[in-house]
Amino acid sequence: DIQMTQSPSSLSASVGDRLTITCRASQTINNYLNWYQQKPGKAPKLLIYAASALQSGVPSRFSGSGSGTDFTLTISSLQPEDFATYYCQQSYSISRTFGQGTKVEI
Amino acid sequence: EVLLVESGGGLVQPGGSLRLSCAASGFTVSDNFMSWVRQAPGKGLEWVSIIYSGGNTYYADSVKGRFTISRDNSKNTVYLQMNTLRPEDAAVYYCTRAMEGIAGGLGFDYWGQGTLVIVSS
Repeated sequence: DIQMTQSPSSLSASVGDRLTITCRASQTINNYLNWYQQKPGKAPKLLIYAASALQSGVPSRFSGSGSGTDFTLTISSLQPEDFATYYCQQSYSISRTFGQGTKVEI
Repeated sequence: EVLLVESGGGLVQPGGSLRLSCAASGFTVSDNFMSWVRQAPGKGLEWVSIIYSGGNTYYADSVKGRFTISRDNSKNTVYLQMNTLRPEDAAVYYCTRAMEGIAGGLGFDYWGQGTLVIVSS
């Protein structure tokens, strides 16, 4: 299976900060990389698919980049509602593995 | 409006069985790839299984041979039959719709609210 490694595992930030989370795949996955946001007690929400495509309804402060094995999720100006846990996921292989998550705290 | 509603979770003893259901509305299950994802308490997301629109099914190694994904087109419902349950299978189980591109997946765009499975004696 393809292993997905996110960094950092957690971070503290403030409203207005620019935030970057990285995700590395254990082998090339082209651009088949997705990002999700999850708030406590809620189902995950798809933010970015195909590495850089913004899912409908997601604010433009979220952006994704990368290809091959290294990817990033950027939040240009952190808002109060953005404090959550973020997961990357590869959809290159049949087994759609997730990263371990990055918790963004105030 | 697209909706996914899971049911069937609950408390089961180790070695027991449970069948989860995912009733879909707003789209046709058989025209889409459908997947189950689980999340153990306080842990991250784990992909469990997927059923392709053509009917092929695939599983995570951790559940292979014990879990079976299926669908009932007449009910527009996806199922996850879970047998020989272990304590480590305890989790919230989410039903999801998988967007697919020409050569690969594009993410899980719709999720249910989840159903909790507890495996304990």
